[in-house]
Amino acid sequence: QSALTQPASVSGSPGQSITISCTGTSSDVGNYNYVSWYQQHPGKAPKLIIYEVIYRPSGVSNRFSGSKSGNTASLTISGLQSEDEGDYFCCSYTDSSTLEVVFGGGTKVTVL
Amino acid sequence: QLQLQESGPGLVKPSETLSVTCNVSGGFISSTGYYWGWIRQTPGKGREWIASVYYRGNKEYNPSLKSRVTISADTSKNQFSLNLRSVTAADTGIYYCVRHGKDHGDYTFDYWGQGTLITVSS
Repeated sequence: QSALTQPASVSGSPGQSITISCTGTSSDVGNYNYVSWYQQHPGKAPKLIIYEVIYRPSGVSNRFSGSKSGNTASLTISGLQSEDEGDYFCCSYTDSSTLEVVFGGGTKVTVL
Repeated sequence: QLQLQESGPGLVKPSETLSVTCNVSGGFISSTGYYWGWIRQTPGKGREWIASVYYRGNKEYNPSLKSRVTISADTSKNQFSLNLRSVTAADTGIYYCVRHGKDHGDYTFDYWGQGTLITVSS
């Protein structure tokens, strides 16, 4: 039921690169750059890893990168490491009259 | 290092009011440039932004919840709170307190609390 669509799961081997997509509409991802990505480990608080589509907060590994094309934003994790296992979700501002901000359903990343 | 910590009752009866508080340490909610808010994660709707407050009193609400929600900030205690009235089982979930930017549309949540589980049940 989430407004932004993400794949339920993505997996990769250590050292590989994976990409997680986040598909919205022209009311959110397509027309605004307030797209952010979060990493969450079980039982822990979510951690901001990408903001405004492409920017990394201080202290976040440069193995994480963000991009956007049309109504789809993407998070790429390069040089996959075991510590990258967890849940990743996206978020975007929306100009919908019934919402202000929308979230993706989350993607479970597994390091094989 | 800024830290946010939620506190809540754990269990709330249907039709009653859910009240949760977020204590902020390592910084001040009176800092200019930031809103302080609540996000929940429920089995039925996933993650959902509920409301945000600026220390000067400006408030923003999710339109779909606005009729049942009140958010407030207490700068003397460096904490902010959420009341959700007339709860049902659909309000069961994890409630997170967060910080985000003040600019219009800036819902970049750069700090989160650990979350507090609220169960609505008789």
